Amino acid sequence: AQSVSQHNHHVILSEAASLELGCNYSYGGTVNLFWYVQYPGQHLQLLLKYFSGDPLVKGIKGFEAEFIKSKFSFNLRKPSVQWSDTAEYFCAVSKAAVNKLTFGGGTRVLVKP
Amino acid sequence: GAGVSQSPSNKVTEKGKDVELRCDPISGHTALYWYRQSLGQGLEFLIYFQGNSAPDKSGLPSDRFSAERTGGSVSTLTIQRTQQEDSAVYLCASSSRDIYYGYTFGSGTRLTVV
Repeated sequence: AQSVSQHNHHVILSEAASLELGCNYSYGGTVNLFWYVQYPGQHLQLLLKYFSGDPLVKGIKGFEAEFIKSKFSFNLRKPSVQWSDTAEYFCAVSKAAVNKLTFGGGTRVLVKP
Repeated sequence: GAGVSQSPSNKVTEKGKDVELRCDPISGHTALYWYRQSLGQGLEFLIYFQGNSAPDKSGLPSDRFSAERTGGSVSTLTIQRTQQEDSAVYLCASSSRDIYYGYTFGSGTRLTVV
């Protein structure tokens, strides 16, 4: 069965630090990749997605993610975080042409002011 | 409506009672999904609707769980004879037929079984 792994469950960092969250998936075929974010008290929102083309995708709020097919990875990055980036981040994967998303376990990020 | 609406937002129920959770998706979205988010866990897939049919209900944890969708719109998730392990946030999401735009999630129903 397809699975999605987020290796860091909790990350604590200071403002202006760089952030990288890991995501690996197990499916070997063509996939679509997503990162979702859930800010405290809010619903899940789409941060960015990859379907095809340039493996480096840029999303909202200065986030980017790089798809490395050979490593089955889709890591999320932000060069300089802000306190407002405190949230839980979820990686998600779907098989191409299939609507169902499989989510990773999430990573809670706490940015200290 | 403008977003995915779920009701109730919170539900406390006694063990053994039945509960119904409602999801009103974005108008025109043909796909509807139910997920469960337990404390400290990720999002667990429950069931997926395309129109009124459910091509994938593989995530329903037991036969106490059922869901239906009518008119290609509103969906109801029913949990019979609730157990304490059913306590979780139940999330509904909808998408257009093409997943390119991802899912739009509702705010969820927090179910507490006491």
